[in-house]
Amino acid sequence: EDQVTQSPEALRLQEGESSSLNCSYTVSGLRGLFWYRQDPGKGPEFLFTLYSAGEEKEKERLKATLTKKESFLHITAPKPEDSATYLCAVQARDSGYALNFGKGTSLLVTP
Amino acid sequence: GAVVSQHPSWVICKSGTSVKIECRSLDFQATTMFWYRQFPKQSLMLMATSNEGSKATYEQGVEKDKFLINHASLTLSTLTVTSAHPEDSSFYICSAVGTGTVSYEQYFGPGTRLTVT
Repeated sequence: EDQVTQSPEALRLQEGESSSLNCSYTVSGLRGLFWYRQDPGKGPEFLFTLYSAGEEKEKERLKATLTKKESFLHITAPKPEDSATYLCAVQARDSGYALNFGKGTSLLVTP
Repeated sequence: GAVVSQHPSWVICKSGTSVKIECRSLDFQATTMFWYRQFPKQSLMLMATSNEGSKATYEQGVEKDKFLINHASLTLSTLTVTSAHPEDSSFYICSAVGTGTVSYEQYFGPGTRLTVT
């Protein structure tokens, strides 16, 4: 059975204090690993898709990396507006387009 | 591009009544739409997958007679919660995949907050 585990559950950072969020996964045939940002009371906002081990993608202060067992979302010099819940999801090759989500990491960046 | 809308954004209904939630893809044709449910401080749980013009596929444990899904066109899917009860109160989110979007990526709507009193 596919599993997605995110850690930590919650993370509090000072503005400018870089850190990484982890997403460990087991899936029978990975098609893609997705990162989303979700603000309270809103739907998830797409950030990245990673398809193969070794792949990296960047967007502003965020950088996502992928290995065969886990993905990291690196946040460099975060700002308070980066505060949100970050969700990781995997899509298996035999699942159609269905996504299996982790429980998310709630990030709070304080000034 | 790839914008998905939901209506209403929030709804309050009385126990025993039915409520319909609409999900629309605004700038692309959605061949597949998904419905998720999210309880407070929990992640998204997939309820069902719908393909345009065919019956929805429900996840294990989701009552298909209670959560009616219709995907009648390439831009509209509806979720009807029938005979709603307080335990159905949740945040319902739809997503869509289709032609004109990057392969395999799902784009999510803003969600609908359902409260059953």
